Amino acid sequence: DAGITQSPRHKVTETGTPVTLRCHQTENHRYMYWYRQDPGHGLRLIHYSYGVKDTDKGEVSDGYSVSRSKTEDFLLTLESATSSQTSVYFCAISSSKTGGRTEAFFGQGTRLTVV
Amino acid sequence: LAKTTQPISMDSYEGQEVNITCSHNNIATNDYITWYQQFPSQGPRFIIQGYKTKVTNEVASLFIPADRKSSTLSLPRVSLSDTAVYYCLVGVFRVNNNNDMRFGAGTRLTVKP
Repeated sequence: DAGITQSPRHKVTETGTPVTLRCHQTENHRYMYWYRQDPGHGLRLIHYSYGVKDTDKGEVSDGYSVSRSKTEDFLLTLESATSSQTSVYFCAISSSKTGGRTEAFFGQGTRLTVV
Repeated sequence: LAKTTQPISMDSYEGQEVNITCSHNNIATNDYITWYQQFPSQGPRFIIQGYKTKVTNEVASLFIPADRKSSTLSLPRVSLSDTAVYYCLVGVFRVNNNNDMRFGAGTRLTVKP
């Protein structure tokens, strides 16, 4: 399995508090992604990174910010958590291969509950 | 990435072959077709990737017609453990591009005894 670790795995927090989720990789892959998954919605891209300090918004970025100060870590921050951000969050990493082929590897997920 | 359309759900029985078709009418010349599998409470995992014709690995086969506007993931002789959500993605990875990677809702396959 690819070396990708999410922390924490489970978290319960109160509305209005800041929360930071961490994704750590040991593969030296250039690309990192944060997704959320809710029942009936599949995976939705929040933010992604294509290099150190290079990030961009995904489909559902409102209320989230990210940072990538080094290759191995990609942080997702909820500045002021709301109940609508209760979800399972997945991190993924990928790198390009010859001819544009690629394969992504996912972490085990973080279950976040905002009460 | 090109937009994809998949059935929301499918049912099958153990031992049968399952074919899941993905439509991608706007596929670009250089795009690859990639399928992922997701079990409950786990992150998706890569199954197979192809560009044209047929690709086969130890898990599945991927059939891509000449016009590449659709693709079919084939799972031979499914078992209960193949119950999962299957996602089809279409695109190409370009070095130095942003390369966002977006999943649709996927196809929920339920294998029954």
